[in-house]
Amino acid sequence: NAGVTQTPKFQVLKTGQSMTLQCAQDMNHNSMYWYRQDPGMGLRLIYYSASEGTTDKGEVPNGYNVSRLNKREFSLRLESAAPSQTSVYFCASRRLANTGELFFGEGSRLTVL
Amino acid sequence: KQEVTQIPAALSVPEGENLVLNCSFTDSAIYNLQWFRQDPGKGLTSLLLIQSSQREQTSGRLNASLDKSSGRSTLYIAASQPGDSATYLCAVRPAAGNKLTFGGGTRVLVKP
Repeated sequence: NAGVTQTPKFQVLKTGQSMTLQCAQDMNHNSMYWYRQDPGMGLRLIYYSASEGTTDKGEVPNGYNVSRLNKREFSLRLESAAPSQTSVYFCASRRLANTGELFFGEGSRLTVL
Repeated sequence: KQEVTQIPAALSVPEGENLVLNCSFTDSAIYNLQWFRQDPGKGLTSLLLIQSSQREQTSGRLNASLDKSSGRSTLYIAASQPGDSATYLCAVRPAAGNKLTFGGGTRVLVKP
């Protein structure tokens, strides 16, 4: 069982470069989420998609864009990376937006120089 | 705004001792509370989910209690083992809306 799969696992960028983090889930979940985890700040929600075709901002959306490509896939794009976006990014999914357990991917560690 | 606190931030116990992990939240209007485990360099693994109407939830050596009115949840891990060493996080889902608020976690070390 793959669960939630994120790529890449590691990435180093220079300031101003762009990149996309990919996330796919094989649990037929409707809702998907992107979080970032920073020391001392805990986990913070960047964007989420309650269902296919919808996306909404979380706590810290600035500098990011998302695409819910289909029910399985939810990507996070950094258009012009900044050092403040150095973090570990987690994708998560849940069967429905308002119920059930949240399942996480293994994380993507991003460093912006 | 909901705030979730986990104290202590770190805990060290000898193998075999029972673990007691605390999670406090400021707004008692919650839908559910979820406990997670995170190993270094890994994602979060769901341990237990307690609905607001429940008082406790059990899975093997793990037992989580919920006292919504006092804004507290406790995760008990019986007879701790070195393999239980990890960071444990709690997350609260509000009664209205579906965005979780996470605690900062408690880093646990179980010494052989």
